[in-house]
Formats: sequence, C-alpha cells, structure tokens
Amino acid sequence: DGGITQSPKYLFRKEGQNVTLSCEQNLNHDAMYWYRQDPGQGLRLIYYSQIVNDFQKGDIAEGYSVSREKKESFPLTVTSAQKNPTAFYLCASRPLERTWDTQYFGPGTRLTVL
Amino acid sequence: KNEVEQSPQNLTAQEGEFITINCSYSVGISALHWLQQHPGGGIVSLFMLSSGKKKHGRLIATINIQEKHSSLHITASHPRDSAVYICAVSTASGSRLTFGEGTQLTVNP
Repeated sequence: DGGITQSPKYLFRKEGQNVTLSCEQNLNHDAMYWYRQDPGQGLRLIYYSQIVNDFQKGDIAEGYSVSREKKESFPLTVTSAQKNPTAFYLCASRPLERTWDTQYFGPGTRLTVL
Repeated sequence: KNEVEQSPQNLTAQEGEFITINCSYSVGISALHWLQQHPGGGIVSLFMLSSGKKKHGRLIATINIQEKHSSLHITASHPRDSAVYICAVSTASGSRLTFGEGTQLTVNP
C-alpha cells in the first residue's frame, strides 16, 4: 500500500546528541514537509522540500537540518543546537501537480530528550 | 493573534449529540482543510474545501469565504469520533499550511 512511514515511533536521546528522524513515502509526491507539535499548540513547520536537492526553512528551522537526496526520503536531523527538542514530529507529503490535493501525514515520531 | 483560530479548544458531548467546531482565519486562502488526529498521533485529512459545503458520512464541512469562517459538524456523534480536530489553511501558492491549535473532542457513551 502507498503511504508515508516514519521511524522510529519513539526516540530517546541524551542532551547534546544529534538524532535523525526518518521519513519515507512511496506516493511519488514531490513535496515533503516536517512539522513539530507541542501540547496546546498548532503544528509548526520546520522545513519543506518541493524537489530533490532543494529545501526551504519553515517557521522554526533553527537547530534542525534536512536533506532531500531522493524523492522518497526526507530525513530530519535534530541537532544539539535545538534548545527544546522534546516534541512530536510529523512528516507529510503532497503531490505538487494536484494543487487541489491535501497533505498526507505519517504516523509521527515522539522524541524525548533525557 | 494566530492567523487560524479554532473554537472551542475542548468539547465534551454525549453520544448522539450534534457537534459543531468553528474555525476563523485572517489571511487570504486558496483552501481550508479539516484534519483529524487520533490519540496515537497520526493525522488524516477529512476535508479540503474552497467554497460551499462538503459532506462525508456523518461529517459536514462548510466555509464562508466572505466571513473567513468554516465549521465542521458531526451528526449523531459516537465515542469513536473522539479525537483532536484541526483546521488549517493554504495560501495561493498552496505549498504551506497554517494550522489552528486544534479542538479536543470527547464523546461519552
């Protein structure tokens, strides 16, 4: 079945360590997105990419990095520079050519910094 | 002030009740989305609309472009409808979504 997978579901990290969250999609979507969700707040955009080897910062990009070497994959690295990384991270994708279409979300990764 | 405001933040209902969740926005949009997030965290899209009204099963979404307002209605609510409902808007380019904070709905049997 087509869809978006994120791994792992739960991730624990020691303070000061970098960690990479995986996002893979087999929907052949051009656009991919990373969001952060904190309790009581709406989803906030970290980074997005509309084409391979290109990506743009979202509203809260500081302390994060991404790459888009393949159309199917858009990994997010949470660096030690991110001051408060404990959150729920959601990846999404969208077909650019279907402007009427919505975003499709992965199941999310819950990151806890110990 | 957020660009997308939802009300109420929390809503508790009895099974069978008619439910309304509201969304107001302050920017020009190309489309408005209603999303559902279950306790496990995954998000699914319920509706994407740019005018009028859409219906899917017991769910109805309406939008008034002039008033910059949308409503999500659930008829004959059921405990399995318990979830967070999120309103989001996309602008003309369509490349980004701006989200409301969500409405936590609990339907008791």
